[in-house]
Amino acid sequence: GAVVSQHPSWVICKSGTSVKIECRSLDFQATTMFWYRQFPKQSLMLMATSNEGSKATYEQGVEKDKFLINHASLTLSTLTVTSAHPEDSSFYICSARDFSAGGRLGETQYFGPGTRLLVL
Amino acid sequence: GDSVTQMEGPVTLSEEAFLTINCTYTATGYPSLFWYVQYPGEGLQLLLKATKADDKGSNKGFEATYRKETTSFHLEKGSVQVSDSAVYFCALSGSGTYKYIFGTGTRLKVLA
Repeated sequence: GAVVSQHPSWVICKSGTSVKIECRSLDFQATTMFWYRQFPKQSLMLMATSNEGSKATYEQGVEKDKFLINHASLTLSTLTVTSAHPEDSSFYICSARDFSAGGRLGETQYFGPGTRLLVL
Repeated sequence: GDSVTQMEGPVTLSEEAFLTINCTYTATGYPSLFWYVQYPGEGLQLLLKATKADDKGSNKGFEATYRKETTSFHLEKGSVQVSDSAVYFCALSGSGTYKYIFGTGTRLKVLA
């Protein structure tokens, strides 16, 4: 149980184009999803917290107009990198919290396999 | 604010050696603590967790005990295998928030 998928697993795009990454919880409902960015050989950097039916909360320094997040249902959140540039190339990982798990169980995040973005 | 400190890597061990990866934390209240493992090119997999003091999380031969007195959550395994080669992340979920605070990650390489 508690499987999170991401699509696509990798994408190459030209500078100036937009790229959408999907994050789905396959066997549970997720009120909250998180989007992270990971640079090579580094830890994960939280970009934003996405709550179903409401606006995402972005971490300091993350451009909300650059990284558009939509959490339209309890099983799907999307991250759109708008007008992508080479410096946006990175490994993007999402995670999800189980809606039905209360208390401390609800703190566990389940991670997707990641999406590698290369902007040329 | 809350923080997690992990030992610097990389850690290189021979197969069947004993593994310890240190993790200490600073937090207000009583956070939940987690260990995740990341294999090359993949996302993070939950390895084990503990939600209160003196809890021991265990999975696949790995163990970690939530020590409030030393604010630590060290990861141990009695006999590592080549397949354990990966990056290990310690994380905490702060009281009152669902955000994770991650350590920097420790790369483990196990040689046959």
